[in-house]
Amino acid sequence: GAVVSQHPSWVICKSGTSVKIECRSLDFQATTMFWYRQFPKQSLMLMATSNEGSKATYEQGVEKDKFLINHASLTLSTLTVTSAHPEDSSFYICSAGRYIGADTQYFGPGTRLTVL
Amino acid sequence: SQQGEEDPQALSIQEGENATMNCSYKTSINNLQWYRQNSGRGLVHLILIRSNEREKHSGRLRVTLDTSKKSSSLLITASRAADTASYFCATDAPRGSARQLTFGSGTQLTVLP
Repeated sequence: GAVVSQHPSWVICKSGTSVKIECRSLDFQATTMFWYRQFPKQSLMLMATSNEGSKATYEQGVEKDKFLINHASLTLSTLTVTSAHPEDSSFYICSAGRYIGADTQYFGPGTRLTVL
Repeated sequence: SQQGEEDPQALSIQEGENATMNCSYKTSINNLQWYRQNSGRGLVHLILIRSNEREKHSGRLRVTLDTSKKSSSLLITASRAADTASYFCATDAPRGSARQLTFGSGTQLTVLP
């Protein structure tokens, strides 16, 4: 099957610092990657879609300068939360698709971010 | 806006019973998918049903889709304690050339031993 990993699985940081989360497709090339955030006991909300080599497309209400997404290779996408604040504390999940328009997305295990 | 709404929000049953979760959505879709999430973990893909399909089975799972009512149901038969998790439906609707999933609000299933 297709495996997607995320690193780190959890991170605690101080307010004002930046945090980078990596999403890797381990056994396939991911043309498209998606980033979601999930608050406790709530659903997943799509933050942005990134296609390899292109700028990410952000959903309405998501600050692109705060959540920097880079998808520089077919197996790696990164999400950097800049100048993190306590309200950014959340569960961040990535997913990957083999190609643009693929039916199936393969989800990573998620990263728990806690900002103190 | 939330594409998928699920009910019930929470469901508690005894082991061996069947569990049924429902999902309603608002727009046309390419397909509808069901996922499972254990507490604090990632999502596990359970089943995908295309817009031209009405019913699909996978092991103890049965999914139905009624595009006229814009609704889907997930049935888990002979439930086990290990089925305890949150279950989400996700609709795959075209947005230009992109394909994106919009998740429902989820159903928290608790199976009591």
